[in-house]
Amino acid sequence: GAVVSQHPSWVICKSGTSVKIECRSLDFQATTMFWYRQFPKQSLMLMATSNEGSKATYEQGVEKDKFLINHASLTLSTLTVTSAHPEDSSFYICSAPTPTDLSEAFFGQGTRLTVV
Amino acid sequence: GQNIDQPTEMTATEGAIVQINCTYQTSGFNGLFWYQQHAGEAPTFLSYNVLDGLEEKGRFSSFLSRSKGYSYLLLKELQMKDSASYLCAALDSNYQLIWGAGTKLIIKP
Repeated sequence: GAVVSQHPSWVICKSGTSVKIECRSLDFQATTMFWYRQFPKQSLMLMATSNEGSKATYEQGVEKDKFLINHASLTLSTLTVTSAHPEDSSFYICSAPTPTDLSEAFFGQGTRLTVV
Repeated sequence: GQNIDQPTEMTATEGAIVQINCTYQTSGFNGLFWYQQHAGEAPTFLSYNVLDGLEEKGRFSSFLSRSKGYSYLLLKELQMKDSASYLCAALDSNYQLIWGAGTKLIIKP
């Protein structure tokens, strides 16, 4: 079945640095990918929708300049957390709907970001 | 606005049956998903319903009533490993998932 691979699974970085998270669709082309953030004991919160070849669509309250999204190819979307702060520590997950079968929305493994 | 409601927490006994309910209000509707999420892990797909009725898959079944904006996930022969959060999500007219807050299911021996 379709697989979405997310890397890294976890990362610890210093406050003020930037971190890049990659999301790849391994055996299908993903024109759209969704990026979510999940704080402990809370539901997934959609941050942005990444569209191949065009600008990402950000949800209200999500800073575009802080969370940079690039979807340069049909199999890769990246989320860069710039100038990270401890409050950005969270679980970040990407997902990609398959183009022909809506019965599953495939998720990456998730990335646990800790900013110290 | 768009909204998904499901209970915050439920407790059940190993070997028993539990039903987790979900009601939704969305702009358009293209199906309803149930996901299982263990702490610290990404959600894993359990079921997808777009037509009214019951879909059975092993110990898990999912039901949908579009006219009532209602779904439930039924778990039979509960095992300790079923302790997890269960997320209900509806696909709206833009094919975007609208998520519930999740139901934490606690299984007791």
